[in-house]
Amino acid sequence: GENVEQHPSTLSVQEGDSAVIKCTYSDSASNYFPWYKQELGKRPQLIIDIRSNVGEKKDQRIAVTLNKTAKHFSLHITETQPEDSAVYFCAAEGNTDKLIFGTGTRLQVFP
Amino acid sequence: GAVVSQHPSWVICKSGTSVKIECRSLDFQATTMFWYRQFPKQSLMLMATSNEGSKATYEQGVEKDKFLINHASLTLSTLTVTSAHPEDSSFYICSASFLGRGEKLFFGSGTQLSVL
Repeated sequence: GENVEQHPSTLSVQEGDSAVIKCTYSDSASNYFPWYKQELGKRPQLIIDIRSNVGEKKDQRIAVTLNKTAKHFSLHITETQPEDSAVYFCAAEGNTDKLIFGTGTRLQVFP
Repeated sequence: GAVVSQHPSWVICKSGTSVKIECRSLDFQATTMFWYRQFPKQSLMLMATSNEGSKATYEQGVEKDKFLINHASLTLSTLTVTSAHPEDSSFYICSASFLGRGEKLFFGSGTQLSVL
């Protein structure tokens, strides 16, 4: 079945710097890749997603890139702010219509 | 965005009792709901896929007799943890998509289960 690896597990940046989180997936049939933000004790919130027919997608300070050949996709957050601090999960969905999550990255943005 | 309501948000129970968790899609019809389990500082692990009007599909290693899932209507799915034990203590969270698959998944607020 699908396996999603995520790195790094923790990431600390200074306010205003950029943050990059990377994921790899195993199922070449995967075609949908969302990113979720989860604050402590709360539900995951979808922040951006990308389909396999697109290489890059941007929404204000957040961007996602996808390399289908290498089976990599990444989340880029620019001009980070303290309120960006949370746990971020990548996920991949393949032909099984199930969303498999990465292991999570705890992002801390220091003012 | 779409709203998924989950209750209760927090429950403490004695070992051996059963706990029912409800998940409702409030403004859309969810033909498919997904149930996840999350241990502290860990990822969301898919437990089962619940389809309206049919039996749930469980992931490998998840005991179907222990985690009973019912999806009787297009807006309601329930997870019952039967004969709960301390090792079942976890954060349980449901999710639903109006697309009927993992895309555009909206999550419930989660249920923190603590079994004494």
